[in-house]
Amino acid sequence: RKEVEQDPGPFNVPEGATVAFNCTYSNSASQSFFWYRQDCRKEPKLLMSVYSSGNEDGRFTAQLNRASQYISLLIRDSKLSDSATYLCVVYSGAGSYQLTFGKGTKLSVIP
Amino acid sequence: DAGVTQSPTHLIKTRGQQVTLRCSPISGHKSVSWYQQVLGQGPQFIFQYYEKEERGRGNFPDRFSARQFPNYSSELNVNALLLGDSALYLCASSVQGATNEKLFFGSGTQLSVL
Repeated sequence: RKEVEQDPGPFNVPEGATVAFNCTYSNSASQSFFWYRQDCRKEPKLLMSVYSSGNEDGRFTAQLNRASQYISLLIRDSKLSDSATYLCVVYSGAGSYQLTFGKGTKLSVIP
Repeated sequence: DAGVTQSPTHLIKTRGQQVTLRCSPISGHKSVSWYQQVLGQGPQFIFQYYEKEERGRGNFPDRFSARQFPNYSSELNVNALLLGDSALYLCASSVQGATNEKLFFGSGTQLSVL
């Protein structure tokens, strides 16, 4: 089992749609969780950190379920500018200082 | 303020050659990490340096090495290049390299090994 697994995608949705991405992680000792966004041929950029209580930033909502080792990202009212690859990222702790990235899920928002 | 800068942006090498990639972190950032991103995959951790000391190493062969300089810039060196080393190499910086810190990535060096 891979350390971080994401929906394979791609997701093609119309403008205004709500879309959800799922991610699972294998190491129950994982401590920090993030969603990064990567535009085509560009570097990844932090979208948001994910907290156990869940957190929201405008149209974006991230949730963490430690018992199920599951992370989600919900995008409401999708915009054309949301088209990108979304990377689930986990820090597994144990002094490794290593962030583990998922393969990414590509989102295309269609006019 | 300048972001993370990497050089060169593109590089073409042949099998067996050696390559050195360079990274300058954001001013005030003391930690630099290196990642390899193969097309269609997420970035994979190679190294993290903090205050010139290696603090973490991913599952890469000894052909990969790195160092950090007193000004916190960093170099990634890859010896005996293989075709499979073709990838986008990303450098990221953060203030202290703490696990809950935001990483700022450079735009990467695209390495092609022929």
